[in-house]
Amino acid sequence: DGGITQSPKYLFRKEGQNVTLSCEQNLNHDAMYWYRQDPGQGLRLIYYSQIVNDFQKGDIAEGYSVSREKKESFPLTVTSAQKNPTAFYLCASSASASGIPYEQYFGPGTRLTVT
Amino acid sequence: GDSVTQMEGPVTLSEEAFLTINCTYTATGYPSLFWYVQYPGEGLQLLLKATKADDKGSNKGFEATYRKETTSFHLEKGSVQVSDSAVYFCALSDPGAGSYQLTFGKGTKLSVIP
Repeated sequence: DGGITQSPKYLFRKEGQNVTLSCEQNLNHDAMYWYRQDPGQGLRLIYYSQIVNDFQKGDIAEGYSVSREKKESFPLTVTSAQKNPTAFYLCASSASASGIPYEQYFGPGTRLTVT
Repeated sequence: GDSVTQMEGPVTLSEEAFLTINCTYTATGYPSLFWYVQYPGEGLQLLLKATKADDKGSNKGFEATYRKETTSFHLEKGSVQVSDSAVYFCALSDPGAGSYQLTFGKGTKLSVIP
C-alpha cells in the first residue's frame, strides 16, 4: 500500500532536548511538507521541499530544521530553540510540477509533548 | 497574501440533517480549492477538490462548487451520519502566489448526534 508513515505516534521529551520526527513516503512524490497543528489554529507550514537536497522555510520555521537526503524521507528536528514545541505535527507529500497545484497527502501525525 | 476563512464551529447536527460549512477565500492568482477531513487523532484526508470556476467536487455524498464571483467553496451534504463527525478544513493552492503550498482555514468541527 502506498502512503506516508510518521513515527512515533506519540513522543515525549524534556525541555532543552532536540527531537527528530520521522516522515517516509512511498508514493514517489517529489514534494514533501511539514505542518504544525495547534487547537483552533488550523495547520501552519514549517518547511517544505520540492526536490532532494533542497528545502525552503515556511511560515513558522524558527526553532526547526529539516533535511532531504532521499526522495522518500523528510525528517524534522525540533530544536531546543523552539519556544513552544508541544503540538501535533503532520507530514505531507504531493506530486510536483511547476505551476500545477497537486493535492497533498498526509501522514497520521506525531503528537509531541515537551515538559 | 492568500487566506481562507471558514465558519467557526463547533457545529452540532442531528443524524440525517443537512450540512453546510461556509468557506471563502482571497487569492493573488487563480487557485485550486480543496476540502480536507480530519478524524480524531488522525492526519488529514482529501475529501474533494475543484480546480476552476463552476467545477463541482464531490465525494461520499459531500459536494462543493467553486464560485469565482463570490470567492466561495461551501461544503454541503444532504444527510449527515454519525460517522461524518470530524474536523473539516477548507484550503487553497495558488500558483499565482509563486508556489503551490496549501493555505488552510482554521477548521470546523462537526459533531453528528443520533
